[in-house]
Amino acid sequence: DIQMTQSPSSLSASVGDRVTITCRASQSISSYLNWYQQKPGKAPKLLIYAASSLQSGVPSRFSGSGSGTDFTLTISSLQPEDFATYYCQQSYSTRMYTFGQGTKLEIK
Amino acid sequence: EVQLLESGGGLVQPGGSLRLSCAASGFTFSSYAMSWVRQAPGKGLEWVSAISGSGGSTYYADSVKGRFTISRDNSKNTLYLQMNSLRAEDTAVYYCAKDLKMVQGVIIGTFDYWGQGTLVTVSS
Repeated sequence: DIQMTQSPSSLSASVGDRVTITCRASQSISSYLNWYQQKPGKAPKLLIYAASSLQSGVPSRFSGSGSGTDFTLTISSLQPEDFATYYCQQSYSTRMYTFGQGTKLEIK
Repeated sequence: EVQLLESGGGLVQPGGSLRLSCAASGFTFSSYAMSWVRQAPGKGLEWVSAISGSGGSTYYADSVKGRFTISRDNSKNTLYLQMNSLRAEDTAVYYCAKDLKMVQGVIIGTFDYWGQGTLVTVSS
């Protein structure tokens, strides 16, 4: 199975900060990497798919990069509504779609 | 507008069974693969199972293989998850999720729409 490891597990930041979250796969997954945002009590929301493609309706301050085993999600200027938990997920292995453990982004 | 509405969750004893449903609307249901994803209380996301648009291909996480069965009724625009031999560790909110792209016979595994979730609690 492909393991997905996110870092950090939690992060404190301020409105306006630039934030980067990292996701590492246990083997190469090409660009089959997605990022989701989840707020408490809500379903996850797709932000980025195929490593760097911005999902329709998602603000352009969100961006993704990487390929192979190392990926990043960047928020260029944090807004109050961005404080949430973020998950990466690989869609390379068609029989086991694994998620990272999550990164909780909190207000400093 | 795409809508996914899960139902069927509840309290069940260990070893028991439950069937979850996910009613879909706002898109051509039969053209898209669908998945179930769960989240234990206070924990992260875990993909559970996926099914192709036609229903001809199904996949399961090792943790549920042999106990859970995914199916769909395209005439009713509804996705199902039959859960048997339930264990305490199956306690979670279960979400149904739609594949991002329509590719015949293929499961993309990228989820652009999610339901609100239904809580399954396995406890005596």
